[in-house]
Amino acid sequence: NAGVTQTPKFQVLKTGQSMTLQCAQDMNHNSMYWYRQDPGMGLRLIYYSASEGTTDKGEVPNGYNVSRLNKREFSLRLESAAPSQTSVYFCASSERGSQPQHFGDGTRLSIL
Amino acid sequence: DQQVKQNSPSLSVQEGRISILNCDYTNSMFDYFLWYKKYPAEGPTFLISISSIKDKNEDGRFTVFLNKSAKHLSLHIVPSQPGDSAVYFCAASYGGATNKLIFGTGTLLAVQP
Repeated sequence: NAGVTQTPKFQVLKTGQSMTLQCAQDMNHNSMYWYRQDPGMGLRLIYYSASEGTTDKGEVPNGYNVSRLNKREFSLRLESAAPSQTSVYFCASSERGSQPQHFGDGTRLSIL
Repeated sequence: DQQVKQNSPSLSVQEGRISILNCDYTNSMFDYFLWYKKYPAEGPTFLISISSIKDKNEDGRFTVFLNKSAKHLSLHIVPSQPGDSAVYFCAASYGGATNKLIFGTGTLLAVQP
């Protein structure tokens, strides 16, 4: 009964390195999302995919790219990491846009 | 510009008493509101939601109230239990879809035994 699985759970990068955060869901959901959470702030939407084959920008897309690999998997890529991207990243999914979202346990990313 | 605001960073309540968590919003277009609960080192978990066509929704010990004229919603937990200790986020969306949820900054609830 995994739900939404994110890998890795922790990662430390140097400025300028690239990295892909992986997310997979086993609930057959159509929509998937990437958020970041910073201290003192709520979760902010980076990108989302309303259905397989589509992606759209959220509130804070700059510096990120996404790929909806198939219905189960939605990855987030940092091409050239910057210290401002130090954050906790959450992936989520929902059956469709009008349903509540189910979250993974997050990836804690530090960029030095 | 914070469209969804939770002005109380923390709240402490005695076990068995009522917990009231508040949330204000500025965008009158919002028509769907949700509450999420988050434990440390875990992802947020959906708790309860309310559509703008209603002013109250109940689920067990949890009730959400919506006051559209005041652009205010609140979550009531009765009775509060120590296991309710967590960060609570309110979130809002418009257009009848939750694809673009706007989250508040969260309120840390501590329920004292």
